[in-house]
Amino acid sequence: SAVISQKPSRDICQRGTSLTIQCQVDSQVTMMFWYRQQPGQSLTLIATANQGSEATYESGFVIDKFPISRPNLTFSTLTVSNMSPEDSSIYLCSVEGQGPSYEQYFGPGTRLTVT
Amino acid sequence: LAKTTQPISMDSYEGQEVNITCSHNNIATNDYITWYQQFPSQGPRFIIQGYKTKVTNEVASLFIPADRKSSTLSLPRVSLSDTAVYYCLVGEPDKLIFGTGTRLQVFP
Repeated sequence: SAVISQKPSRDICQRGTSLTIQCQVDSQVTMMFWYRQQPGQSLTLIATANQGSEATYESGFVIDKFPISRPNLTFSTLTVSNMSPEDSSIYLCSVEGQGPSYEQYFGPGTRLTVT
Repeated sequence: LAKTTQPISMDSYEGQEVNITCSHNNIATNDYITWYQQFPSQGPRFIIQGYKTKVTNEVASLFIPADRKSSTLSLPRVSLSDTAVYYCLVGEPDKLIFGTGTRLQVFP
């Protein structure tokens, strides 16, 4: 299994500002994923980030709002830009497993509150 | 992508077996069935995955009928610590689409 850490664990931000969330994995992985989980809701995939290529965004998410970096095989960042209260959510990163099952391993999440 | 339908919530008592059924009528040939568990303030955790028939691991069993239009996650002898949200996902393994999940509450 992979061990994933995220920074910050939580933050309170003012509207109009931006926050960059870091995701660190203890092993090299090809694919990393970013999700959003709004309060009391299920998870929604934002984008898939492969090292060395542009991230692939899901419908409803755009690069200008959620720019992603993937500089190496163990690290990725997600920036939430020009924030509004509607961006208040938990943001989670995950990585694909290395075993025979196609499981994903999730980080603990970053709880973002926008005021 | 196959849509999943599962009960919004279930209650159980410690020591009982819990079966959570998920419907996925338009599952595709290449789709796998995967279950995740999520505790409050934590990321989801992989429980089990299957393609057809029955799969068992140290945590749970997954029953998949021949038509694959549904699946049942079976948790033997639940404890209070099994109180969580359980998600059934159907699709290609590298693109997880989470549904609403089933909130399981285990009582003493």
